[in-house]
Amino acid sequence: KNQVEQSPQSLIILEGKNCTLQCNYTVSPFSNLRWYKQDTGRGPVSLTIMTFSENTKSNGRYTATLDADTKQSSLHITASQLSDSASYICVVSVGDGGFKTIFGAGTRLFVKA
Amino acid sequence: GAGVSQSPSNKVTEKGKDVELRCDPISGHTALYWYRQSLGQGLEFLIYFQGNSAPDKSGLPSDRFSAERTGGSVSTLTIQRTQQEDSAVYLCASSPAAGRYNEQFFGPGTRLTVL
Repeated sequence: KNQVEQSPQSLIILEGKNCTLQCNYTVSPFSNLRWYKQDTGRGPVSLTIMTFSENTKSNGRYTATLDADTKQSSLHITASQLSDSASYICVVSVGDGGFKTIFGAGTRLFVKA
Repeated sequence: GAGVSQSPSNKVTEKGKDVELRCDPISGHTALYWYRQSLGQGLEFLIYFQGNSAPDKSGLPSDRFSAERTGGSVSTLTIQRTQQEDSAVYLCASSPAAGRYNEQFFGPGTRLTVL
């Protein structure tokens, strides 16, 4: 069964600190993996996308890694800001020629002053 | 340009009533998706439209749910005889074309509450 699991479910950190969010998937065949940021009351917005051959991708203070062998990805946030408070969703696309995407339940990040 | 818009932003209805949720995709985007997000859960795929092709309805949870897309643009998701378990945020997304590499651009969602 295609699944995407994220951990932790929620996380509280102090402003300025770094944090790492985890994503494990069992999607097969694998096509690509995206991390989305979803602010409260808004739709998700794409942060990064990685295909099978890419093992790291950065977008400002966000750095995503991918280990296709262990089927794990992480999202590292550096020097967190209050505006980073949001849900971060890991999304894996199925590589069967179709469009299907499997969403994780997300990690809820709270950045406190 | 304008992003994906959805209306209403919030809808409260009584059990048994029908509701219609609207999605205006980004102009020129040929692919349109509907998802449901329950509290604390991941997005659940409902239905997918691509151009003039027959929609993929494989995610619709029951025959009370239906959707249409008129003129390849605006889409309406209809829930008949609403139940309390239908309470969720309904998100619409569009992308420039079908394909797994195309980013989906999401609207703000419609929060549906069934009393």
